[in-house]
Amino acid sequence: KAGVTQTPRYLIKTRGQQVTLSCSPISGHRSVSWYQQTPGQGLQFLFEYFSETQRNKGNFPGRFSGRQFSNSRSEMNVSTLELGDSALYLCASSLQGAGEQETQYFGPGTRLLVL
Amino acid sequence: AQSVTQLDSHVSVSEGTPVLLRCNYSSSYSPSLFWYVQHPNKGLQLLLKYTSAATLVKGINGFEAEFKKSETSFHLTKPSAHMSDAAEYFCVVSEPGGYQKVTFGTGTKLQVIP
Repeated sequence: KAGVTQTPRYLIKTRGQQVTLSCSPISGHRSVSWYQQTPGQGLQFLFEYFSETQRNKGNFPGRFSGRQFSNSRSEMNVSTLELGDSALYLCASSLQGAGEQETQYFGPGTRLLVL
Repeated sequence: AQSVTQLDSHVSVSEGTPVLLRCNYSSSYSPSLFWYVQHPNKGLQLLLKYTSAATLVKGINGFEAEFKKSETSFHLTKPSAHMSDAAEYFCVVSEPGGYQKVTFGTGTKLQVIP
């Protein structure tokens, strides 16, 4: 089975622009979660989607949004980029996203640099 | 509320010596616990997971972890470090719920000295 894929792998944007990141989960996985990883804050949960619905959300401003399509692929969008949005954005998929025993499988991440 | 504490932000060992990365957790339930590894500029890879089947869990690349309920610990060990083990390691706790209730530790960077 193919793993979780994320595109693009690297992005450079300038302040004020917007960006869209894409994640394709493992085939058959219906839950997709997004995380932001920075040296200062570590891994922070952004949101989780299941069956095209946002089921859980972390503590990020409304500039961060996402969606999930019927094939479980997910996108996240960041509008009005700020310097502090520079980070590695990780996507993780799991079967149902419920229950403590489910394993999340991570993609390689998208490295975003905001200038 | 659940939480996880990785007691060391950096650990340095010589190649061929044992590795110990410490993790303590707090949970109101009987949680599942995971260790992930992240090599530079890569995503997270699952090393092992505890789901109450056995307290000593064996993972990939020779790593293992022991769940100790009385100490609320889930320390990661390896008998002999290899240069390729140099990476950042994350301890993760997951509680039951209708959606993924996962908390990540702050990570431990492992340096392996030749």
